[in-house]
Amino acid sequence: DAGVIQSPRHEVTEMGQEVTLRCKPISGHNSLFWYRQTMMRGLELLIYFNNNVPIDDSGMPEDRFSAKMPNASFSTLKIQPSEPRDSAVYFCASSFSPSRDTQYFGPGTRLTVL
Amino acid sequence: DAKTTQPTSMDCAEGRAANLPCNHSTISGNEYVYWYRQIHSQGPQYIIHGLKNNETNEMASLIITEDRKSSTLILPHATLRDTAVYYCIVPTDKLIFGTGTRLQVFP
Repeated sequence: DAGVIQSPRHEVTEMGQEVTLRCKPISGHNSLFWYRQTMMRGLELLIYFNNNVPIDDSGMPEDRFSAKMPNASFSTLKIQPSEPRDSAVYFCASSFSPSRDTQYFGPGTRLTVL
Repeated sequence: DAKTTQPTSMDCAEGRAANLPCNHSTISGNEYVYWYRQIHSQGPQYIIHGLKNNETNEMASLIITEDRKSSTLILPHATLRDTAVYYCIVPTDKLIFGTGTRLQVFP
């Protein structure tokens, strides 16, 4: 298995633009997680899905952020409009279930908003 | 989630054992202890987890005290590639990453 795949690996955009981050979880995993990591705030859970259904989005910072999981093999995290404070590394992870199971992380997308 | 406390940083000589402590005094009876690490510029990586018994795998050993209020992750022969931030987590419905311990392995 190729592991969790994220694209793009790097994204540079200008303030106000829409940004879409993509994630392909490990085949057979039922849970998918989106995290954000910054120097100031560390690694934060934004949202997680179980069986393609959003379970907890309490970590999503504001309405500019949205996440979807249209099927078991694909998820997107969208920021519209983007702001400089959204600059961070965004990680996607997957596991067999939301709790007590090993989470496998992707390589991350480094987002820079100018 | 049960709160965990870890030292901010530690050093270890290459080839020596690295012992990373974690306090989780509020852990409840059915909560597991998980360890992850994050090497610079990579996503976090699962290392090991345990409930009450000591555990060992190809990466590390986990020693959990009898009262379960603390644990120690042991890397038996640290290498330079083990330099990373190590996170001790007691999850309930999700993982909450704290600040972890920054382990520096030196030659």
